[in-house]
Formats: sequence, structure tokens, C-alpha cells
Amino acid sequence: ETGVTQTPRHLVMGMTNKKSLKCEQHLGHNAMYWYKQSAKKPLELMFVYSLEERVENNSVPSRFSPECPNSSHLFLHLHTLQPEDSALYLCASSQATGVGSYEQYFGPGTRLTVT
Amino acid sequence: GQNIDQPTEMTATEGAIVQINCTYQTSGFNGLFWYQQHAGEAPTFLSYNVLDGLEEKGRFSSFLSRSKGYSYLLLKELQMKDSASYLCAVRDGNYKLSFGAGTTVTVRA
Repeated sequence: ETGVTQTPRHLVMGMTNKKSLKCEQHLGHNAMYWYKQSAKKPLELMFVYSLEERVENNSVPSRFSPECPNSSHLFLHLHTLQPEDSALYLCASSQATGVGSYEQYFGPGTRLTVT
Repeated sequence: GQNIDQPTEMTATEGAIVQINCTYQTSGFNGLFWYQQHAGEAPTFLSYNVLDGLEEKGRFSSFLSRSKGYSYLLLKELQMKDSASYLCAVRDGNYKLSFGAGTTVTVRA
């Protein structure tokens, strides 16, 4: 595996379900991100982890719960979602320390549909 | 708050040049990025500007004027595969990227 991978690629869940999205980066980066992308809207940053500590939390509802067990893995736990949460959820990673442009590399995303 | 504006759609002919403008008003500035996103795929990094001026990378160039809060992405010798959404993003610290809504470029034969 190379780059940033995400599973599952597609997910349909009811409002009472609990599910988790998984992200793994194979780039040796030390920062990881969750974004939400809805149609015709800008990417919205949800969470940032740097060196496994959460450093950004953009007023995301508590029905979204992130977890970063190590610098290569990131999870997004979902429970009691609403239909408006249907979107593409993108994971990204970057270097967070040292010299450089720190560009973010994105995974292919999980297309989530809440019914 | 952050405000990043770019045109919604642009259409151009194969072989032509297209310029995508981006204006921004942000609380801080630590670099401007351009990403390309094909339908149903992940955004991919195209360019990064932190100092004023032009950065050229093959058929793609990006320009930045910090005093004007303005950037553009120039796509030369357009190819059909360049049909995609182009995202302008501003970093205002170490991590946080604020994105524009994206410009959908359609290349016609």
C-alpha cells in the first residue's frame, strides 16, 4: 500500500447505527486530518492530530468521535448520525514539523449515506 | 473568519490556456495551495506559494500577491485530462487549511 488509504470506500448507515471510518498513511507523516466534503461546498476541516495529539477540533458535533492510536492510523467513529451528515469524508496527512511546505496528501475518501 | 473566493466554473478548448483566480481574506497567512480533484477522486497537490511571485511547474504555474490577497493558477496547453475541479486553499497556521469551493474546469475538444 502506498500513500493514504481509507476504508470503507462506501458506507450506508441508518441513523441509529454505529460505524467507524479508518484511515492509514504510509508516508511517514506525523499529522493527520479529517475533512467533510459536501456537494458544491468547500472542504470543511473537522479534526487535526499532530504527533497523535488532537490540535484542532472545529466545532464538530459529538456524534463524530476521532481516534488516533499512532501516527499512521486515524479513525472516525460515527453514531446516531443525521441525513445531513451524508457526504464524502476525506482523510489527509502531512509533515507537521521541520522545514517544508507541509502539503497535505489525501486519501480517496469514504462516501457516506445516512438513511 | 476565512473567506476564499474562486469562480464556480470555467470552460476552455483543448490546447488553450486557462487562468483560475482566487482571492482570500483570512485571519493569518502561512502559504497558499492549489489542488486538483477529478470527480470521485481525492484532491491531489499541485502547487504551493508562500512568497510573492510566480512558481512554474511544467504546464501549471501559480502566482501569489500577498498584499492583494490574490492568487491564480495558470493551466497551459490544456488537455482533456485537465477537466477537473481546482481547489484554492490558504493555510493560516501550522495545520489548518481553509478551502475555496473549487472551480470546475471543462476542457472541450
